Amino acid sequence: EAGVAQSPRYKIIEKRQSVAFWCNPISGHATLYWYQQILGQGPKLLIQFQNNGVVDDSQLPKDRFSAERLKGVDSTLKIQPAKLEDSAVYLCASSLGSDTYEQYFGPGTRLTVT
Amino acid sequence: QKEVEQNSGPLSVPEGAIASLNCTYSDRVSQSFFWYRQYSGKSPELIMSIYSNGDKEDGRFTAQLNKASQYVSLLIRDSQPSDSATYLCAPENFVFGPGTRLSVLP
Repeated sequence: EAGVAQSPRYKIIEKRQSVAFWCNPISGHATLYWYQQILGQGPKLLIQFQNNGVVDDSQLPKDRFSAERLKGVDSTLKIQPAKLEDSAVYLCASSLGSDTYEQYFGPGTRLTVT
Repeated sequence: QKEVEQNSGPLSVPEGAIASLNCTYSDRVSQSFFWYRQYSGKSPELIMSIYSNGDKEDGRFTAQLNKASQYVSLLIRDSQPSDSATYLCAPENFVFGPGTRLSVLP
């Protein structure tokens, strides 16, 4: 069974530029999560999708971050414009459904904003 | 703010010893808990889930949950150098603790 796929693995941009990350969850997994992990901290949930609907985006900085999950499979997370403090690893995870919480993480995208 | 607290460590144990990792949480409605292992530069990997009070054993790992005390722990028996990693605790609301860094010394 293929795991969660993410791309790109690394990205370096200048502040005020925009960037997008892509995630493909494990086949059959209805729930998809985006996390931000700053070095030395635990992952912070940004947004949770159930199929193509948003369950929780309370910690998503909506003035600059956006996410979508069209057709309930792949998802993209965008930052526009980026700030220095957005430098982090962006993790995508998926789980089977709304009543199962075991999450499987992708390899992450390491973003550096200069 | 619902919080999860962990001792950031590092926790150092000799090879073959028992490593004990602890986690406390503030959200009383949390019912299930998950332990993830994260190697440096890698993404978190699920190692244990526990849904009810008491102990759950899986190989060298034992998770313990005490909902009355809002406390969950992970014991690693016969610790190996390959267990050296950061261990993250999270309830089902996906609020992760800061993680405890474990170092197993050969």
